[in-house]
Amino acid sequence: ETAVFQTPNYHVTQVGNEVSFNCKQTLGHDTMYWYKQDSKKLLKIMFSYNNKQLIVNETVPRRFSPQSSDKAHLNLRIKSVEPEDSAVYLCASSGDWGATGQLYFGEGSKLTVL
Amino acid sequence: AQKVTQTQTSISVVEKTTVTMDCVYETRDSSYFLFWYKQTASGEIVFLIRQDSYKKENATVGHYSLNFQKPKSSIGLIITATQIEDSAVYFCAMREGRGNTNKVVFGTGTRLQVLP
Repeated sequence: ETAVFQTPNYHVTQVGNEVSFNCKQTLGHDTMYWYKQDSKKLLKIMFSYNNKQLIVNETVPRRFSPQSSDKAHLNLRIKSVEPEDSAVYLCASSGDWGATGQLYFGEGSKLTVL
Repeated sequence: AQKVTQTQTSISVVEKTTVTMDCVYETRDSSYFLFWYKQTASGEIVFLIRQDSYKKENATVGHYSLNFQKPKSSIGLIITATQIEDSAVYFCAMREGRGNTNKVVFGTGTRLQVLP
């Protein structure tokens, strides 16, 4: 049963536009993540938050900015999208402050940049 | 830096047989956690099984089990009595235990096709 909810599930936009993805988890977890999955299925971590605090910030273009209002929510904004941003963006959460790293994923948000 | 490598791109098996998927990892840490995840055709990614580095016993959950060979930095996934619905992409992943970096690194995935 899904407990990590992402919106929207699909988004098509043009180069230069801004897009936002929202994520909410109802598992009571304290750690949330954004991963990017490209067309070759490669999964790469982008950001990780512990209870609203940014913990992991991989080498990601500055046009990407995460935002967390509380430990149950983590959003991702892309300021001016580029063609290479076309991918599936996956939100995940984990309990115990991410100590073990066992992740629970949302269904993903597929971004297509024309 | 931690690294996870899955060399098998794709595997096909006949249902009800056993399949093993390989994974090797690199880490400088003495404490770490290893995982296998499954991504179905719909895109959903689900956690399957976990091995803690300090545990000598191989983890088992249902018809999934692990072959943990610490000296070889290897964590193979074994699926017994495969079913058609096991067809999916399987990812190996690792989280180093040190610090609070909360960074989980994934392999490139192995696509499993279970044939009738």
